[in-house]
Amino acid sequence: NAGVTQTPKFRVLKTGQSMTLLCAQDMNHEYMYWYRQDPGMGLRLIHYSVGEGTTAKGEVPDGYNVSRLKKQNFLLGLESAAPSQTSVYFCASSRNHAQDTQYFGPGTRLTVL
Amino acid sequence: GENVEQHPSTLSVQEGDSAVIKCTYSDSASNYFPWYKQELGKRPQLIIDIRSNVGEKKDQRIAVTLNKTAKHFSLHITETQPEDSAVYFCAAYLVDKLIFGTGTRLQVFP
Repeated sequence: NAGVTQTPKFRVLKTGQSMTLLCAQDMNHEYMYWYRQDPGMGLRLIHYSVGEGTTAKGEVPDGYNVSRLKKQNFLLGLESAAPSQTSVYFCASSRNHAQDTQYFGPGTRLTVL
Repeated sequence: GENVEQHPSTLSVQEGDSAVIKCTYSDSASNYFPWYKQELGKRPQLIIDIRSNVGEKKDQRIAVTLNKTAKHFSLHITETQPEDSAVYFCAAYLVDKLIFGTGTRLQVFP
């Protein structure tokens, strides 16, 4: 039981490049989330999903897109990376509700030059 | 939307002392308040939570209190140990999502 996994662990991009972060969970959770963590800013919600095929905007959605084609996977895309998107990205999942325990992945450290 | 403020941003205590971290929230409809602990280089993990129908909850050395009228809640750690050193995040639930505070870095000195 791996829990929540994220790939890649590290990535360096140049401004304007695109990339996709993959989150996978093997706990059959309905809810999945993408957060970014910046110094002094805490965890800010980018997008989330309440079930397969659904997505919704969080606090800071601009510049990001997401897809949840399979229940176990939640993809975060950056179409044209900007230096302001340099951050640590965490994926999380919860069983049936946002009030259930959220289980976080190990994080992806992204640097945009 | 919901706004969660967390204080202090850093907290240093001596081993064995108590630590208190406070959070306030803005939306009176929020009814669930978890606390997450993040050790250096690790992922956040839930340590305790409280729902709006109770005023206090304890789990060994940690406790959380909630004042719905004042819209604030606090984390209390007693008999602190070096392994309590971490960043602690409070959060408030509102409509399918958690809104997190900005975090408190707790350092426990031996």
